[in-house]
Amino acid sequence: AQSVTQLGSHVSVSEGALVLLRCNYSSSVPPYLFWYVQYPNQGLQLLLKYTTGATLVKGINGFEAEFKKSETSFHLTKPSAHMSDAAEYFCAVSDRDFGNEKLTFGTGTRLTIIP
Amino acid sequence: DGGITQSPKYLFRKEGQNVTLSCEQNLNHDAMYWYRQDPGQGLRLIYYSQIVNDFQKGDIAEGYSVSREKKESFPLTVTSAQKNPTAFYLCASQGAANSPLHFGNGTRLTVT
Repeated sequence: AQSVTQLGSHVSVSEGALVLLRCNYSSSVPPYLFWYVQYPNQGLQLLLKYTTGATLVKGINGFEAEFKKSETSFHLTKPSAHMSDAAEYFCAVSDRDFGNEKLTFGTGTRLTIIP
Repeated sequence: DGGITQSPKYLFRKEGQNVTLSCEQNLNHDAMYWYRQDPGQGLRLIYYSQIVNDFQKGDIAEGYSVSREKKESFPLTVTSAQKNPTAFYLCASQGAANSPLHFGNGTRLTVT
């Protein structure tokens, strides 16, 4: 069975500092990987996804993530944090054989930006 | 604008009452999903439907029911059998297989 682990339920960074949100997955087959962002009392919005090809994936709002098969990781980064980045972030994995109906989410990381 | 509409945004019910959460989409998506979100637990799949008149149980279907009579609509009923119904409920839809999910803005249900 596939699973996702997000290290750190809360992360705080200063405005302008590097953002690093960690995600490790387990899957019996090469996975599809996703990062979603959620602002308070809203639904989730896709930041980026990895399906195949280039392992460094660029998303919206300056975020990017790198798929490292050897480390079973898909960490999310942004070089310089902005106040508007404060939100909750979810990593998710999908089994290629079944598509998104088997999407498994991590427990989320709440990102706080310190002015 | 195409999207997913969940209503109402906030819902309050007394224990023992059934309640139905609405989810409508105009994206012409075949697949629709219901997730439950609790603090510190991420999103858990309740039910999903890949086509009209067909749906499957997710990981936590007990105490919930759904219908899919129209492509645009996928209502979720939280029954009195659900032991801990207070939560944030998210509906999502999907176009092609393995394409990203599109989420509604959620319904926060409080049962007292």
